[in-house]
Amino acid sequence: QSVLTQPPSVSGAPGQRVTISCTGSSSNIGAGYDVHWYQQLPGTAPKLLIYGNSNRPSGVPDRFSGSKSGTSASLAITGLQAEDEADYYCQSYDSSLGYVFGTGTKVTVL
Amino acid sequence: QVQLVQSGAEVKKPGASVKVSCKASGYTFTGYYMHWVRQAPGQGLEWMGWINPNSGGTNYAQKFQGRVTMTRDTSISTAYMELSRLRSDDTAVYYCARAPPSIVATTYFDYWGQGTLVTVSS
Repeated sequence: QSVLTQPPSVSGAPGQRVTISCTGSSSNIGAGYDVHWYQQLPGTAPKLLIYGNSNRPSGVPDRFSGSKSGTSASLAITGLQAEDEADYYCQSYDSSLGYVFGTGTKVTVL
Repeated sequence: QVQLVQSGAEVKKPGASVKVSCKASGYTFTGYYMHWVRQAPGQGLEWMGWINPNSGGTNYAQKFQGRVTMTRDTSISTAYMELSRLRSDDTAVYYCARAPPSIVATTYFDYWGQGTLVTVSS
C-alpha cells in the first residue's frame, strides 16, 4: 500500500556497514520533498533518526547518515552495533496522498 | 523536556467510536502541528492527518475522511483523535507526533507519544 518501497530486511555483523534504500516516484521524493528516517525499537514508538535528507538530531550518533538522489533515498549505518537492531522507516510527502511512510526495513545484527 | 503522553488502551466493538488523547508538555502547544499516525499489528506506519493547535484547522488523509475528527483543548495542551464506525482492521497502535514549524515539503515528526492500542473486536 505504501508508495515508498524499502527492502524488508538487511543484516550485518557488528562493525560492518549496512544501507537501506527508500524508492519513491515523481509525486513524492522525485518532486523534491524531503526524506526523513525513523528508528523503531521493539515495542516502542518511532524515534527521529535523520531529517531533511541528511541531518541528524542532537543525540543521534554520527554512525547514521542519510542521502537522497532523484526518486530515492538511503540510510547508512556504519560500525553496526547490537543496539541498532530495530525497524527503520523512511517518510516523505506525496502530492496525492499526503505524508507517506516507507514499507519498513528490519535490521538484524548477526 | 518535550513529552507527549497518550491515554490508555481501549477495546471497542465494531461500529463504535474511540477517542484518544495526547497531552503535551515541555513546549508551547500552539506552536507545533500535531499529527496522528497508526500502526496495525506487525505492519508499517500510516499517516492519518494533522491538527493545527493554534487555529484548530485540520487536514485528514483521504482514507479517513468522514470517519476521523481531530480536535484540541489549548487550556490543557491536549490533542484528541476520534475515529468512528470502527472496523476490525482499525485495530492498531495510534500515535500522536509533533511536527516542527515548516513547509509541507520538509515536514517531519520530532517527538512521538508512547502509543495507544485500540482493539476492535466483537
